[in-house]
Amino acid sequence: GAVVSQHPSWVICKSGTSVKIECRSLDFQATTMFWYRQFPKQSLMLMATSNEGSKATYEQGVEKDKFLINHASLTLSTLTVTSAHPEDSSFYICSAQRGGDTEAFFGQGTRLTVV
Amino acid sequence: AQSVTQLDSQVPVFEEAPVELRCNYSSSVSVYLFWYVQYPNQGLQLLLKYLSGSTLVKGINGFEAEFNKSQTSFHLRKPSVHISDTAEYFCVVGRGSYIPTFGRGTSLIVHP
Repeated sequence: GAVVSQHPSWVICKSGTSVKIECRSLDFQATTMFWYRQFPKQSLMLMATSNEGSKATYEQGVEKDKFLINHASLTLSTLTVTSAHPEDSSFYICSAQRGGDTEAFFGQGTRLTVV
Repeated sequence: AQSVTQLDSQVPVFEEAPVELRCNYSSSVSVYLFWYVQYPNQGLQLLLKYLSGSTLVKGINGFEAEFNKSQTSFHLRKPSVHISDTAEYFCVVGRGSYIPTFGRGTSLIVHP
């Protein structure tokens, strides 16, 4: 149980285009989902926290107009990178948490390359 | 506020040797502690967690960690490592509704 699926696992896009990454909790209802960004050889940086049905809470320094997060249902959250630039290339990871849980479950990550 | 310090960015070790990956945390409230492993280009997998109770926590793949409140540490140990243990290891602190704080990660490199 407690499986989180992230799609796609990798994507290449052109500068200026938008890319959507999906995060699904397959066998549980996720009241909270987290989105992280990871640069090579570095730790995970929390970008935003989203609760189902409400607006995401973004961490300081993260552009909410550039990284659009939608948590429309208890099993799906999406991250859209708008007008992508090469500096947005990174590894993006989501995690999902059930209400009252003390543990979050991680997706397998999405490698985004902007050319 | 809470913070996590992983004291070693890289730990090289020979196969079948013991290993300890160090983690110290700071928090003004009670916390939950986790260790995750990340293999190349993959997501994170939970190794073990401490929520309360026994301070010695056993996890998957033969790993264990000990919560030491007085030293605010949660070091990860394995008595005998394998080549397949080569990966990035993250110490994570969470609390309450679990807003996690990640350490910078320790790269465990197991040599034959």
